Amino acid sequence: DAGVTQSPTHLIKTRGQQVTLRCSPKSGHDTVSWYQQALGQGPQFIFQYYEEEERQRGNFPDRFSGHQFPNYSSELNVNALLLGDSALYLCASSHRRRDSPLHFGNGTRLTVT
Amino acid sequence: QKEVEQDPGPLSVPEGAIVSLNCTYSNSAFQYFMWYRQYSRKGPELLMYTYSSGNKEDGRFTAQVDKSSKYISLFIRDSQPSDSATYLCAMSEGASKIIFGSGTRLSIRP
Repeated sequence: DAGVTQSPTHLIKTRGQQVTLRCSPKSGHDTVSWYQQALGQGPQFIFQYYEEEERQRGNFPDRFSGHQFPNYSSELNVNALLLGDSALYLCASSHRRRDSPLHFGNGTRLTVT
Repeated sequence: QKEVEQDPGPLSVPEGAIVSLNCTYSNSAFQYFMWYRQYSRKGPELLMYTYSSGNKEDGRFTAQVDKSSKYISLFIRDSQPSDSATYLCAMSEGASKIIFGSGTRLSIRP
């Protein structure tokens, strides 16, 4: 049973560039959430997708956008990268049932230089 | 004030000791409470998941939730070096946004 998979594992970008991160949810899950984890901090909620729509959003600027595909996989896009966007980006999946906990992938380590 | 407060540690204990990890929170609407373990260069791994107040036990791990005090705990019995990791408490009102603590770094000395 494949868990949550994310790609790429590492990425180095330059300020001002754009980046796309990808996520495949755990089998049987239909909801994808994205989190940003700065070094030494807990994950911060970016947004959540199900039924191919953004359902809830955290306190992140519009430079952060996403998409969910019919097969439930998801992308996170970040435009006009800033040095402060350097972090571990985590994808988590769940089922829409209220009692379904989040299962995380191993993340994409983004470094902005 | 953060919604969820967690002592960052680091916490170092000898192998076999009982470990106690704690978080406090301010939002009385939180209903779901979780503990995640995160090894270096890995994503968080779900350890315990509880709804509302009470205790839950799973092997060497026990989670406690006291909603009246807005306080949650994770106890690890017979701690092992493999338990060395960062432990994140997390909570939510419902099925969407989860709020995490900043994590406690735990080291188990052989």
